[in-house]
Amino acid sequence: QKEVEQNSGPLSVPEGAIASLNCTYSDRVSQSFFWYRQYSGKSPELIMSIYSNGDKEDGRFTAQLNKASQYVSLLIRDSQPSDSATYLCAVPTGTYKYIFGTGTRLKVLA
Amino acid sequence: KAGVTQTPRYLIKTRGQQVTLSCSPISGHRSVSWYQQTPGQGLQFLFEYFSETQRNKGNFPGRFSGRQFSNSRSEMNVSTLELGDSALYLCASSLQPGGSEKLFFGSGTQLSVL
Repeated sequence: QKEVEQNSGPLSVPEGAIASLNCTYSDRVSQSFFWYRQYSGKSPELIMSIYSNGDKEDGRFTAQLNKASQYVSLLIRDSQPSDSATYLCAVPTGTYKYIFGTGTRLKVLA
Repeated sequence: KAGVTQTPRYLIKTRGQQVTLSCSPISGHRSVSWYQQTPGQGLQFLFEYFSETQRNKGNFPGRFSGRQFSNSRSEMNVSTLELGDSALYLCASSLQPGGSEKLFFGSGTQLSVL
């Protein structure tokens, strides 16, 4: 079983819609969760972190965490073509090791 | 504040050769981790260094090694290169290792093995 799983996509949404990206993880002791955005040919950049159950909002981005279900999601409201990228879910384990999902490719259609 | 600097940006090597990649973390960051990124496997953890000590190592053969210097700069070495080593190698720095630390990535070194 993969430790961090994401749907590879592509997930296509029209401009202005809400994009919903999902991630499940297997390590129950994980306490922090990160979303990175990676544009084609570029390196990953951190966009959101979440540590507690519930929702965390930052501008057009909302991260949602459910530790009981081992599920973390990222919502992007009012999606823009500039949001088209691969979104990586990252889960640090208790042994200093970060596990990344393979990423979901998002395409926002103008 | 300068970001994470990786050199070189591109490398072309042939099978059997060895290669050394360099990473300078953000000033004040003491943890450096390395990742291999390929289209099929995504980001795979190689190892992490903190205070010149390797804290953790991923599932890669012994041909992959690294070290960290007293100024927190890190190098990664791959010996006896294989075709499958062709990948983007990313370095990330953070203030502390693991836990809830946020990673800041360099631009990466694109390695092609012919």
